[in-house]
Amino acid sequence: EIVLTQSPGTLSLSPGERATLSCRASQSVSSNFLAWYQQKPGQAPGLLIYGASSRATGIPDRFSGSGSGTAFTLTISRLDPEDFAVYYCQQYGTSPYSFGQGTKLELK
Amino acid sequence: QVQLVESGGGVVQPGRSLRLSCAASGITFSTYALHWVRQAPGKGLEWVAVISFDGSITYYADSVKGRFTISRDDSRSTLFLQMNSLRVEDTAVYYCASPPMARGSYWGQGTLVTVSS
Repeated sequence: EIVLTQSPGTLSLSPGERATLSCRASQSVSSNFLAWYQQKPGQAPGLLIYGASSRATGIPDRFSGSGSGTAFTLTISRLDPEDFAVYYCQQYGTSPYSFGQGTKLELK
Repeated sequence: QVQLVESGGGVVQPGRSLRLSCAASGITFSTYALHWVRQAPGKGLEWVAVISFDGSITYYADSVKGRFTISRDDSRSTLFLQMNSLRVEDTAVYYCASPPMARGSYWGQGTLVTVSS
């Protein structure tokens, strides 16, 4: 089973700042099948990034994903007030298709 | 537009069974692999199970293997999760979801399952 570890657990930033979220896998993620989701309170998660670095349709270009193998990063270039939420990475290359424990992005 | 609507949640005693449904519209259902994902109250996301587009392949999380069964009825565009031998730790909101892809990943609004005596 691939264990995904996200860091930091909580990130406190202000609008306009840059956010960098990390996701590390216990073993290589097959074909870089790594996704990032955003979840706001009371809502289902929404897909941001698939295939480690491809933005899903309609996702603003301030969101970018990078990395390969066991180390992945989600970067939000300039935080908008609506970006404060919880972010999860998920690997979907090898069953079980595990999620990370999440990073909470909070307003400083 | 695409809609996934879960149903079948509720309060159930430990050891009992429950069957969840996920009705899809706005997609060509038979071409999609589909997942169940759950989220315990105040906790993170936990992947539960997946079924291939044609129903021939299924995978499960270790925590539910042997107790839960994922299935689909393409004639009704509906995904199912049969949950047997329920435990207190199965208490969660259960979501059905499509895999990550360019057009996005479709999720339902979730259905709450509470396992309690």
